[in-house]
Order: sequence, then structure tokens, then C-alpha cells
Amino acid sequence: AQSVSQHNHHVILSEAASLELGCNYSYGGTVNLFWYVQYPGQHLQLLLKYFSGDPLVKGIKGFEAEFIKSKFSFNLRKPSVQWSDTAEYFCAVNRAGSARQLTFGSGTQLTVLP
Amino acid sequence: DGGITQSPKYLFRKEGQNVTLSCEQNLNHDAMYWYRQDPGQGLRLIYYSQIVNDFQKGDIAEGYSVSREKKESFPLTVTSAQKNPTAFYLCASSTPGRGDTEAFFGQGTRLTVV
Repeated sequence: AQSVSQHNHHVILSEAASLELGCNYSYGGTVNLFWYVQYPGQHLQLLLKYFSGDPLVKGIKGFEAEFIKSKFSFNLRKPSVQWSDTAEYFCAVNRAGSARQLTFGSGTQLTVLP
Repeated sequence: DGGITQSPKYLFRKEGQNVTLSCEQNLNHDAMYWYRQDPGQGLRLIYYSQIVNDFQKGDIAEGYSVSREKKESFPLTVTSAQKNPTAFYLCASSTPGRGDTEAFFGQGTRLTVV
């Protein structure tokens, strides 16, 4: 079975700091990778996704993620965070081509201090 | 507007009672999912359905039941057999027939056992 690990449970940054959230998965086959964000009081939203092609994926609000197949990683980055980025971030994976359900990581709570 | 509607937003239940959470989508998606979200544990899959009149257990199906009589609807019943039902429940849908696509989420139902 596939699994997803997010090693940072809570990250606290000041505005304008750079962000990198780690995500590793355990599945040897071809996967689809996702980052979802949950702002306080709001529903889960897709931040970005990787299906194939360029391993550097750009998403909404200035976020990007890089798929490194050899490391089974899909880390999320943003060069300069804003107070409005305060939210919980979830990495997720499913098996490519099978349209199966997503497996989520445990989430990372990001707090950005003004 | 297309989307996923979960109701109610907040639900209180006495111990020993069954309760049903509603999930309706107008996205014409074939697949629907129920996840449970607990602090520090991410989202865990309860049940999923790839097509009408068919559904499969996820990772934590014990104490839950579902039905899929219509494409648009995928209600979740939390039974008295569920030992720790207090949680945030999220419904999602996707279009597996179109290959690799992301899941869309509802706003969730917070269930509290009193």
C-alpha cells in the first residue's frame, strides 16, 4: 500500500521568509502527486498537481513543487510567504492511470507571522 | 455553480445513536469518497465509490456504512459501532473515467458525540 510522509507538523515563519515543506511517498510505481491547502474555516483546495512531464510544477499563489523520482519526494516551495498563506498543507498521492483514491500525508500547519 | 455540498456543517450526536451525513455533487463525477480528518493524522479514507450501486471499504471503514443509489449522492452513516466518531468528515468526488484528475472536496461536516 502507498503511504505519504510529511515530516514537518508545524512550521512558523515570518513574512517574506522562504518556505519548503517536505513530502515523501512510498510506492514504486507511477504516481500522481498533489498538494492541497486548507485555509482556516474553508474547504480543501488544490494547490498544484503533478501527473507527468516537467518535474517542476507551478501552482496557484506563487507555490511550486518539484518531483524528484529518485528520492520519492514532492516538496512544496514558495520564495516569500505572506500572512495569508497561514493554513494547513497536505501532500497526497494516487497511482497513475488507475484513478484510485488519494492517500494523504498527516499535514503541515503553516503559521506566518506578520 | 458546480460543486460538492455537505450537510449539515455541524452535527451533534448522543452516544449509541446512528447519524447520517449528506454529500451531494453536481459535477457529474463518477467517483465519490469519504475521508475522516483528525488533528495530526491527515485525511484517512473511509469508503469510496467508483460507480453507482458499487462501493468499497477504505482504510478505516469499521463503524461506518454508505450507499450509492444515485450518481449525485453518497451519504455516510456513522453507526453506534464506531468507537471514536468525533471528527471532521470530508466528502470528495473525481472523474476516474477521464484518467488522471484531481479530487474536489466539500466543506466538511464536523461531528461531535456528546
